[in-house]
Amino acid sequence: DGGITQSPKYLFRKEGQNVTLSCEQNLNHDAMYWYRQDPGQGLRLIYYSQIVNDFQKGDIAEGYSVSREKKESFPLTVTSAQKNPTAFYLCASTVTGGRNEQYFGPGTRLTVT
Amino acid sequence: RKEVEQDPGPFNVPEGATVAFNCTYSNSASQSFFWYRQDCRKEPKLLMSVYSSGNEDGRFTAQLNRASQYISLLIRDSKLSDSATYLCVVSPSGGSYIPTFGRGTSLIVHP
Repeated sequence: DGGITQSPKYLFRKEGQNVTLSCEQNLNHDAMYWYRQDPGQGLRLIYYSQIVNDFQKGDIAEGYSVSREKKESFPLTVTSAQKNPTAFYLCASTVTGGRNEQYFGPGTRLTVT
Repeated sequence: RKEVEQDPGPFNVPEGATVAFNCTYSNSASQSFFWYRQDCRKEPKLLMSVYSSGNEDGRFTAQLNRASQYISLLIRDSKLSDSATYLCVVSPSGGSYIPTFGRGTSLIVHP
């Protein structure tokens, strides 16, 4: 079955540690995105990538980094510079040139203490 | 002004009721419109695209009004399982392919 996978589902880290969240898709989608969602809030765009080896900052990129070495993979690193990293992180992908419907992975819930 | 605005609710309705949500958007160049459903602590899932002529999928009807820059979602014969948050999403034409999400409208269907 085609889809987007994110791992792990739950992640706990101590303050000051970097952590990398995985996102893989087998939908052959060109564009991939990372969002952050806080309780009772909407989705905020962290980074996006429209093609391999290229990515752009979203609205809240500070304290995060990404790479796009393969079309299928778009990992997100939450660095120690991110002041408030505890949140629900969602990865999405879409086919460019179409209606831009986004498909989401199941998300990773990160807790930093 | 927020780019995509929704009434956060919650809309609290009995089973069998008809409920409608509106969403307004500010970018008149927007081309693609969607409704997503998000259950508590889950990812958003595409519910339906919204076409200029309006479209229906079972109990769900979506409408687009470009002149007034709003889209709507009508749910007929509400079920308990319809309880969720409904997100309005607007995408620009071409270019960066960055959609804008509304904050969502919460629906609670009770027995």
